[in-house]
Amino acid sequence: EAGVAQSPRYKIIEKRQSVAFWCNPISGHATLYWYQQILGQGPKLLIQFQNNGVVDDSQLPKDRFSAERLKGVDSTLKIQPAKLEDSAVYLCACDKGSYNEQFFGPGTRLTVL
Amino acid sequence: GDSVTQMEGPVTLSEEAFLTINCTYTATGYPSLFWYVQYPGEGLQLLLKATKADDKGSNKGFEATYRKETTSFHLEKGSVQVSDSAVYFCALSERGADGLTFGKGTHLIIQP
Repeated sequence: EAGVAQSPRYKIIEKRQSVAFWCNPISGHATLYWYQQILGQGPKLLIQFQNNGVVDDSQLPKDRFSAERLKGVDSTLKIQPAKLEDSAVYLCACDKGSYNEQFFGPGTRLTVL
Repeated sequence: GDSVTQMEGPVTLSEEAFLTINCTYTATGYPSLFWYVQYPGEGLQLLLKATKADDKGSNKGFEATYRKETTSFHLEKGSVQVSDSAVYFCALSERGADGLTFGKGTHLIIQP
């Protein structure tokens, strides 16, 4: 079974620029999550999708972050404009439903200069 | 809101030593509890889980027991190996179908 795919793996941008991350979850996994992991901290949930609907985006900074999940499969996370404090690893995860294991992708490491 | 507190690292042990990594949580309901592990150069992966009080999760020689009375989920292993060197994260999910709330992680270093 293929794992969670993310791209790009690394991205360096200057503050106030825009950036987008892409995630392709495991086939058949209806729930998709985006997490932000700042260096030295645990991952923090940004947004949760069930199929292509948003379940929880309470911790998403909506003034600059947006996310969508097209046709309940792939997802993109966008930051516009980026700030220095957005430097982090952005993790995509998925699962089949309640109480099931979440599978994580390798992450995208973002550096904002 | 929900939170997870785990012991600060790095934790350095010799091979075959006994391991305990402490984890306590704060939650409004009855969460499911997890330990995730991140080996060098790899992504996060589930190590073990427990979904109700007094449940014991176990995997690869690691164990953790869901203690509702002390709101704890400490990770233990009787004899660690160099290959156990990794970062360990304690996490909870309020309803099992929600996103995870993670602790800060504990970096474990096992010396031969």
